[in-house]
Amino acid sequence: DVKVTQSSRYLVKRTGEKVFLECVQDMDHENMFWYRQDPGLGLRLIYFSYDVKMKEKGDIPEGYSVSREKKERFSLILESASTNQTSMYLCASSLYRGQGLEETQYFGPGTRLLVL
Amino acid sequence: RKEVEQDPGPFNVPEGATVAFNCTYSNSASQSFFWYRQDCRKEPKLLMSVYSSGNEDGRFTAQLNRASQYISLLIRDSKLSDSATYLCVVKGNYQLIWGAGTKLIIKP
Repeated sequence: DVKVTQSSRYLVKRTGEKVFLECVQDMDHENMFWYRQDPGLGLRLIYFSYDVKMKEKGDIPEGYSVSREKKERFSLILESASTNQTSMYLCASSLYRGQGLEETQYFGPGTRLLVL
Repeated sequence: RKEVEQDPGPFNVPEGATVAFNCTYSNSASQSFFWYRQDCRKEPKLLMSVYSSGNEDGRFTAQLNRASQYISLLIRDSKLSDSATYLCVVKGNYQLIWGAGTKLIIKP
């Protein structure tokens, strides 16, 4: 059974703080993704990675960076948190290398981030 | 116009009834389509892929209409446990495009 875990379920930070969100998957998946989900909007892709040390920008990368030093771990970094980054952050992974977007994405439980 | 549009609902449906909802997409070149289910305050999980010929999985039937650019999800004999938000997902040129979801509430 695929398991994707995220470091925190709930997080409260202040404007300007640097925030680290960690995601770990235990199924040796090649692809990992970071999304944010806001009411009335679909999931929006922030960054994704097809391999270790590889990263690609999604639709809304501004204000975020990522790190993938190990295959199982994909971190999202908010360099200087702002109130408009208050959101639900979802990490996902999928099995196949390269485009493999047809493959099922498995999600972590999400992190609800509140920036004050 | 959004790339993937869904009626947000909520659809309030009595237990045992049949319910259907659609999702429209704007990119006529899209090739892959999915329905995900998201329970309240939980993560999305794949419900089913949508094939050109349509497909059925138990009480759930998914259909694709390329001419009108929409996909549909039909739930028969609805159960209380079907209450959730159903997310429509379309593969764009390089990534998945997610709808905002349709909320379904099944009432006893």
